[in-house]
Amino acid sequence: AQTVTQSQPEMSVQEAETVTLSCTYDTSESDYYLFWYKQPPSRQMILVIRQEAYKQQNATENRFSVNFQKAAKSFSLKISDSQLGDAAMYFCAYRTRYGGSQGNLIFGKGTKLSVKP
Amino acid sequence: SAVISQKPSRDICQRGTSLTIQCQVDSQVTMMFWYRQQPGQSLTLIATANQGSEATYESGFVIDKFPISRPNLTFSTLTVSNMSPEDSSIYLCSVEVFSGRTNEQFFGPGTRLTVL
Repeated sequence: AQTVTQSQPEMSVQEAETVTLSCTYDTSESDYYLFWYKQPPSRQMILVIRQEAYKQQNATENRFSVNFQKAAKSFSLKISDSQLGDAAMYFCAYRTRYGGSQGNLIFGKGTKLSVKP
Repeated sequence: SAVISQKPSRDICQRGTSLTIQCQVDSQVTMMFWYRQQPGQSLTLIATANQGSEATYESGFVIDKFPISRPNLTFSTLTVSNMSPEDSSIYLCSVEVFSGRTNEQFFGPGTRLTVL
């Protein structure tokens, strides 16, 4: 079974600085998806960024980028120029490539990010 | 993308009662998922609901406790039956949508349930 591990329960960053959130996962599959979701206090889960395992290039979305190390099964999220609105719980998630009931997301325990003004 | 609404947004219930949570999507989707997020915890999948078939439950979740309906491609309900304080959680509905070459999951705003 696949597992997702986030070893940092809490992180803090100064506004405008850069922070990296760690995520490792375990799987025997070769093709899959990885995601970072953001959950602010409003509870709404928001997709931040997505990485397809077959792609070697790291995904980037504006101030958010990932460092995907497939061999090491590592998938870290870098937030540049941190803003107060980035404060939230961040969840790393894994999904098998194929659909059906196996297409559900497997989540890590989350990292609570605080942004200091 | 998909816009998902859930009702109620929150509720406080008495032990032994049941609550039905509704999930409405603005487009037709095949796959719908129900997740539970216990206080301070991550999301755990309860079941997958496909229209026209019985829901598929994950280990540790049973139909008698969490009956699910999926009457059409835009709507689903999750009932939390015979509630106890341990059922206090946020319950989230999620749908899977094709986005280019990949599937993407969108989440509803969640229902915060407190059982006294």
